[in-house]
Amino acid sequence: SQQGEEDPQALSIQEGENATMNCSYKTSINNLQWYRQNSGRGLVHLILIRSNEREKHSGRLRVTLDTSKKSSSLLITASRAADTASYFCAINTGANSKLTFGKGITLSVRP
Amino acid sequence: EAGVVQSPRYKIIEKKQPVAFWCNPISGHNTLYWYRQNLGQGPELLIRYENEEAVDDSQLPKDRFSAERLKGVDSTLKIQPAELGDSAVYLCASSALGLAGFGELFFGEGSRLTVL
Repeated sequence: SQQGEEDPQALSIQEGENATMNCSYKTSINNLQWYRQNSGRGLVHLILIRSNEREKHSGRLRVTLDTSKKSSSLLITASRAADTASYFCAINTGANSKLTFGKGITLSVRP
Repeated sequence: EAGVVQSPRYKIIEKKQPVAFWCNPISGHNTLYWYRQNLGQGPELLIRYENEEAVDDSQLPKDRFSAERLKGVDSTLKIQPAELGDSAVYLCASSALGLAGFGELFFGEGSRLTVL
């Protein structure tokens, strides 16, 4: 399967806490991307990490990639109620850059 | 800059009826995607266009689904006839990079289809 698998399926935390979400995959990748989807809306790109990168930061987001373990993690620091959404990892594979999404993680941040 | 525009946002039809969704990608984006998202699941690719050419339609149920992107800009996805199992959100996305690109996808708000 070329699909990334996210873990946990659901996460509930208190505002101000950090949220860590994981993604595992089984094939070689060009890059791995994380997207957010608010209820009833389209997906929004958060961050992209290439296969030769190990860590990347964007604001309160930190993404790591371990290609030897075929896994990635997304850390959201100092979470806010507005971070409540579904988060998807997507793996980019093959010469034609196919992007395949996982099933997503539902994050709830309690005020 | 305008984002990806989709219409209609919502559509309710009886089974066996036809339905069509329209998408206008971000200006200058040559690559256009149609994804289907079932409730509680991630998006699944239906078809990908590079300009006018469908370069990946392996997941498109061709017996009832069709798509076109005649001038390499906007696109239409059609279902005829619709079945109960087609109820889902149909998402359109575009990107600036072609087959060898590694770019991000920009998504529209989606068209939510309910088949009764």
